[in-house]
Amino acid sequence: SQQGEEDPQALSIQEGENATMNCSYKTSINNLQWYRQNSGRGLVHLILIRSNEREKHSGRLRVTLDTSKKSSSLLITASRAADTASYFCATVYSGSARQLTFGSGTQLTVLP
Amino acid sequence: EAGVAQSPRYKIIEKRQSVAFWCNPISGHATLYWYQQILGQGPKLLIQFQNNGVVDDSQLPKDRFSAERLKGVDSTLKIQPAKLEDSAVYLCASSLAARWETQYFGPGTRLLVL
Repeated sequence: SQQGEEDPQALSIQEGENATMNCSYKTSINNLQWYRQNSGRGLVHLILIRSNEREKHSGRLRVTLDTSKKSSSLLITASRAADTASYFCATVYSGSARQLTFGSGTQLTVLP
Repeated sequence: EAGVAQSPRYKIIEKRQSVAFWCNPISGHATLYWYQQILGQGPKLLIQFQNNGVVDDSQLPKDRFSAERLKGVDSTLKIQPAKLEDSAVYLCASSLAARWETQYFGPGTRLLVL
């Protein structure tokens, strides 16, 4: 079964609002990453947070990691219509052969 | 720098036929991955290569799927014979050996098996 599970499965917001997506995982991780996938396209790496980090920022993105709860959240501030995409968390679990295990994704729709 | 290239972008076949997908990773990327992404799900790793050697193919249905990376550069994934449940997007990704944590994905090949 897939390592990470995103919540919610779908999210619809107005342009300018913030969007928060959550990811839960099951076993110890080395790091957790977030990817974006526009419709019909490949995935694009957004941000990586290591197991010893609690928060990380990149532009309008903010990622938090709580290893005690085995969960992470991705916050997109001041959303734009161009942020409409599917967002996936992916974990590299401890002891893996440099592999990503993806969750099922959150479909974000930003309405203009 | 050029990204990961995949071809074809779309393929429609009938069940029991065979199909092949091609991937050319970013130049210098030693690690290459093939993923299967079924509609509404996240990508699932099928096989991982390091140069021309297989690191992990534990989730590859070996009775019908095969993959090779003969010269350690481009790679081919084949399905023979295809089943209806193979309908999916097949994604190729690559990464640097030294910076393996970030994978770069190609646009994918969308396969429909009728």
